[in-house]
Amino acid sequence: DAKTTQPPSMDCAEGRAANLPCNHSTISGNEYVYWYRQIHSQGPQYIIHGLKNNETNEMASLIITEDRKSSTLILPHATLRDTAVYYCIDWGSGNTGKLIFGQGTTLQVKP
Amino acid sequence: DAGITQSPRYKITETGRQVTLMCHQTWSHSYMFWYRQDLGHGLRLIYYSAAADITDKGEVPDGYVVSRSKTENFPLTLESATRSQTSVYFCASSHQTGTGPTEAFFGQGTRLTVV
Repeated sequence: DAKTTQPPSMDCAEGRAANLPCNHSTISGNEYVYWYRQIHSQGPQYIIHGLKNNETNEMASLIITEDRKSSTLILPHATLRDTAVYYCIDWGSGNTGKLIFGQGTTLQVKP
Repeated sequence: DAGITQSPRYKITETGRQVTLMCHQTWSHSYMFWYRQDLGHGLRLIYYSAAADITDKGEVPDGYVVSRSKTENFPLTLESATRSQTSVYFCASSHQTGTGPTEAFFGQGTRLTVV
């Protein structure tokens, strides 16, 4: 079973920041927090990942709490094309590489 | 072309028939995964492989068989297809470093219909 908890759905206005929360209270020390998204019926797409520090790339920012029990994915300027299901996953060598997806958050970006 | 490819993209088969879905990656990634995604639901892990000749069960392995004789290929076989196996199947690959996995790359999916 997935070890992360996410809200099932969220809305965001186009052009505004989308903040997607995730709880991973059972994450172990060698597991990273990964974020993927799935647009419509395509294969999931990697967004960003981190271990302890906050991370930023061209797609998003990842904020991880100091105790590592939760994180927030930030899409700074959401567009309609960001409408997708977003998955937060804790994944690392400690769980023998098994990559388990939870139910994710359906983000609806509205004009 | 570099990447991960699945074949066929679409398949219709009859109940009771054997069908094999193919997955090929060109990066020599050590890890490969098979998922199924039923309409309106999330991805469920069927089987995964840490390296050639090493495979393990995921969340929903019943009714499926995998093999991995070569690093780049990870075929998924439905030995006797059932209607409940109608789904979209995704393959993925990832490299494992000393500090953990790298990002996983997904194929475009195979839409399987069992009639």
